[in-house]
Amino acid sequence: DAGVTQSPTHLIKTRGQQVTLRCSPISGHKSVSWYQQVLGQGPQFIFQYYEKEERGRGNFPDRFSARQFPNYSSELNVNALLLGDSALYLCASSLWGYTEAFFGQGTRLTVV
Amino acid sequence: SQQGEEDPQALSIQEGENATMNCSYKTSINNLQWYRQNSGRGLVHLILIRSNEREKHSGRLRVTLDTSKKSSSLLITASRAADTASYFCATVEGKGANNLFFGTGTRLTVIP
Repeated sequence: DAGVTQSPTHLIKTRGQQVTLRCSPISGHKSVSWYQQVLGQGPQFIFQYYEKEERGRGNFPDRFSARQFPNYSSELNVNALLLGDSALYLCASSLWGYTEAFFGQGTRLTVV
Repeated sequence: SQQGEEDPQALSIQEGENATMNCSYKTSINNLQWYRQNSGRGLVHLILIRSNEREKHSGRLRVTLDTSKKSSSLLITASRAADTASYFCATVEGKGANNLFFGTGTRLTVIP
């Protein structure tokens, strides 16, 4: 069975640009969450989507947005990129409820 | 911001020794989970302990939870070089969603 897949694996963008990151969950998982991990820190929660609806949002500015599609895949968009947005962006899928999360390998975003 | 902190930040042991990592958190939880991360890539779920449980075992892993002290520990017995990784605790609050709030992580190095 395929795990959580994220694309692209690496990305370099210039300050002020916009970026879209993609995630495909494990088959059967309807919940997708996004996390940002800055070097040397633990992941920080950005968004959770379930059944195409936003079910949770972390403490991130409005430049960050996301959506979930009918096939439960998801996109994370970041506008007006800042140098501080450079990080590993992780997607996780899970069954709804208090269960374990399965993570993709992440997208390494570098803003220059 | 992180939910909690882990101690120690870094741990270096010889192969065959036991490794203990501690995690403290701030709020009431539904469950606490431990994850492992190799080389800044995706996280792998290790074990989940619910708030009404005090101890759980999985292979060479032993997790304890003390909700009165808002703390947890992860013990890895008979460590191997392949256990070298960063270990994170993550809490799930009882708000109907399973967003993970991660600690700061412990970097474990097992010397062959």
